Amino acid sequence: QKEVEQNSGPLSVPEGAIASLNCTYSDRVSQSFFWYRQYSGKSPELIMSIYSNGDKEDGRFTAQLNKASQYVSLLIRDSQPSDSATYLCAVTDTGRRALTFGSGTRLQVQP
Amino acid sequence: SAVISQKPSRDICQRGTSLTIQCQVDSQVTMMFWYRQQPGQSLTLIATANQGSEATYESGFVIDKFPISRPNLTFSTLTVSNMSPEDSSIYLCSVDRGGRSEQFFGPGTRLTVL
Repeated sequence: QKEVEQNSGPLSVPEGAIASLNCTYSDRVSQSFFWYRQYSGKSPELIMSIYSNGDKEDGRFTAQLNKASQYVSLLIRDSQPSDSATYLCAVTDTGRRALTFGSGTRLQVQP
Repeated sequence: SAVISQKPSRDICQRGTSLTIQCQVDSQVTMMFWYRQQPGQSLTLIATANQGSEATYESGFVIDKFPISRPNLTFSTLTVSNMSPEDSSIYLCSVDRGGRSEQFFGPGTRLTVL
């Protein structure tokens, strides 16, 4: 049984700070890793995907993957109040394709 | 990404009835999935909707309770049968166009069972 673990939060950061969100996973065959943002009452929105060890940057977002330690993280630079949402970590493997989600971390950016 | 629509967006149903949720994509996609998100919880996969064959269900979900159709590469339905208040959830379809497994979600159907 695959498990994806996230701290439920809330994680509270001041506006302009860096928000750091972490996720660990149990299945070593996991190949693809995703971060989704979900605003209250809305469906999840894909914001980052990462497939190989290291960092991947897209605008204010950086995803970091360490397969040896089985963790993936998301950094949000210059956090804005509009970043306040629940961030869901999801993983899958090559054969399965369906996503296994963590429980999500609620981020609050204080103006 | 893909443009995904779901109908209905929300419904309030009586115990013991059934509701069929539709998911329509604006282009052909390789795979479609149905997830459930119970209040305050994360997403749980119900099943993979396979085009032209029976859906593949996850542990804890059965075809009699959640029959799924996928008649073509752009459309799928999920039926929630013989509903009880425990079925009150948001039901989401997602699509995977192949390649690197990126999935995109529809807007969801918010179901309340009284």
